[in-house]
Amino acid sequence: GAVVSQHPSWVICKSGTSVKIECRSLDFQATTMFWYRQFPKQSLMLMATSNEGSKATYEQGVEKDKFLINHASLTLSTLTVTSAHPEDSSFYICSAYWDSLKTQYFGPGTRLTVL
Amino acid sequence: DAKTTQPTSMDCAEGRAANLPCNHSTISGNEYVYWYRQIHSQGPQYIIHGLKNNETNEMASLIITEDRKSSTLILPHATLRDTAVYYCIVRVAMGTTDKLIFGTGTRLQVFP
Repeated sequence: GAVVSQHPSWVICKSGTSVKIECRSLDFQATTMFWYRQFPKQSLMLMATSNEGSKATYEQGVEKDKFLINHASLTLSTLTVTSAHPEDSSFYICSAYWDSLKTQYFGPGTRLTVL
Repeated sequence: DAKTTQPTSMDCAEGRAANLPCNHSTISGNEYVYWYRQIHSQGPQYIIHGLKNNETNEMASLIITEDRKSSTLILPHATLRDTAVYYCIVRVAMGTTDKLIFGTGTRLQVFP
């Protein structure tokens, strides 16, 4: 099946530092990718829609200056958590839309822990 | 988008069929039913989707009622590895900018 990868799979950082998470579609080109966040025992919450070659669209309540999204190619989107704080600790998951199959495929997730 | 209602949790014996219901009484004519599952600490996995006809693939079957107000995901022979949270999502056939909005899902526990 379709494969979407994320790197790193987990990261621990100090408060105030920035962390970059990569999302890659390995089997297909994705003009649109999505970023989600999931807190323990909760469902996935959509953060933003990442469009190749244009600005991301953020959901209400998500700070665009804190969560920087770049979708520079058809197979790569990055999420940078700037000036991370302990409350940003979460499971971050990306997904990529496969045009021809009309289906979204998800990455394995990145667990971020901010000390 | 139409809202879905799923039971919070279900149990199933290993080897038996797991039937997971989903209500979507306000579904529109052009909205599809998608099923994903999330095994603990992993990203969601696509299972199946359908519009009005029943669908089957190597993972599961999807049965949609004639009035399209409800559907059932069937795992024909559940294994311990099928223990996960199952999400039923109703969505217009995906365009590139369409979003998947996750509800709380059904936590399926398969026991030996």
